[in-house]
Amino acid sequence: DGGITQSPKYLFRKEGQNVTLSCEQNLNHDAMYWYRQDPGQGLRLIYYSQIVNDFQKGDIAEGYSVSREKKESFPLTVTSAQKNPTAFYLCASSIDWRDSQPQHFGDGTRLSIL
Amino acid sequence: KQEVTQIPAALSVPEGENLVLNCSFTDSAIYNLQWFRQDPGKGLTSLLLIQSSQREQTSGRLNASLDKSSGRSTLYIAASQPGDSATYLCAGSGNTPLVFGKGTRLSVIA
Repeated sequence: DGGITQSPKYLFRKEGQNVTLSCEQNLNHDAMYWYRQDPGQGLRLIYYSQIVNDFQKGDIAEGYSVSREKKESFPLTVTSAQKNPTAFYLCASSIDWRDSQPQHFGDGTRLSIL
Repeated sequence: KQEVTQIPAALSVPEGENLVLNCSFTDSAIYNLQWFRQDPGKGLTSLLLIQSSQREQTSGRLNASLDKSSGRSTLYIAASQPGDSATYLCAGSGNTPLVFGKGTRLSVIA
């Protein structure tokens, strides 16, 4: 079955540590996205990528970094510069972000501070 | 900048009722409007996508409409069931990727 796989499901970060969240899709989608969700809030866009080797900052990119070396993969690194990283992180993909195509989501990674 | 508002924030109804969830957006230059369902601790599932040239979409007991002139979308759920209990989010896109509302948390009581 095609879909989006996020790992790990739960992740804990120590002070001053960088952590990387994995997102893999086998839907052959060009566009991929990272969102952050805080309790009782909607999703806020961190980064998005329209195509391999290209990505753009979203609304809350500070303290995060991404790479898009392969079409299938869009890992997100939460750096030590992100002072409030505790949140639920969701990865999504779509055929093309400009076209009217639905976004497909993974099951998320919950990040907490130790 | 596009802003999306959802009313009400929470809703509790008895099983079998028909209900309407509301979504409003500030920028009428909207490209498409999606409604999603989110179960606790899970990702989002796309329910309905209304493209800019369309006014409504239907899937089973769900019907979503889009009125770009008034900046509103509604999700109508017919004959609600306990299994419909979840958070429903709407999201619109224009020249940027999707902007999400905060969602409506729906509880359907058996």
